[in-house]
Amino acid sequence: GQQLNQSPQSMFIQEGEDVSMNCTSSSIFNTWLWYKQDPGEGPVLLIALYKAGELTSNGRLTAQFGITRKDSFLNISASIPSDVGIYFCAGQPGNTPLVFGKGTRLSVIA
Amino acid sequence: SQTIHQWPATLVQPVGSPLSLECTVEGTSNPNLYWYRQAAGRGLQLLFYSIGIDQISSEVPQNLSASRPQDRQFILSSKKLLLSDSGFYLCAWSVGSEAFFGQGTRLTVV
Repeated sequence: GQQLNQSPQSMFIQEGEDVSMNCTSSSIFNTWLWYKQDPGEGPVLLIALYKAGELTSNGRLTAQFGITRKDSFLNISASIPSDVGIYFCAGQPGNTPLVFGKGTRLSVIA
Repeated sequence: SQTIHQWPATLVQPVGSPLSLECTVEGTSNPNLYWYRQAAGRGLQLLFYSIGIDQISSEVPQNLSASRPQDRQFILSSKKLLLSDSGFYLCAWSVGSEAFFGQGTRLTVV
């Protein structure tokens, strides 16, 4: 089946630093989504992207739908301790269930 | 507004025992429903998805089954649990591309 390559797998950053993570696919996606999962809870939708080149912000979070439709990135500015968690990208190639990346585990050092 | 309820939150079951996890969605009609499993520190594995009552697609052959007896009810079952069935089980719903997750069930098979 389709796979998404999400990187990095994990990150350790200082509070206040900016964070960047990305996802790539070998095939074209119509939709890109970014989720955050806190320990022991279900993933929560952060940002949804529907058009190639689209750049969308949600507070300190910014995500972009790549021009080629095969990639997306998520940036977090001025990280804070509550940003800790696992971030997942997800893409939808067509009228099929979402395909998820393996996640980026973010740790923030105060 | 839409809500998703998943229970129980945690479950410890002996090997060979049956399993029934239930998920219900409120505030929407004819949603797509999903069951995912997440191993510790890993990504999301799609187990089953349903586009309507009694319409179930299985993504991974295994010791589990799913049923959708009502429009907004999705049940994950097993007749005999294996140790390898341990994990974090997540139910999700979607109308369109964006999926929304329940709080998850932590299953430990002993």
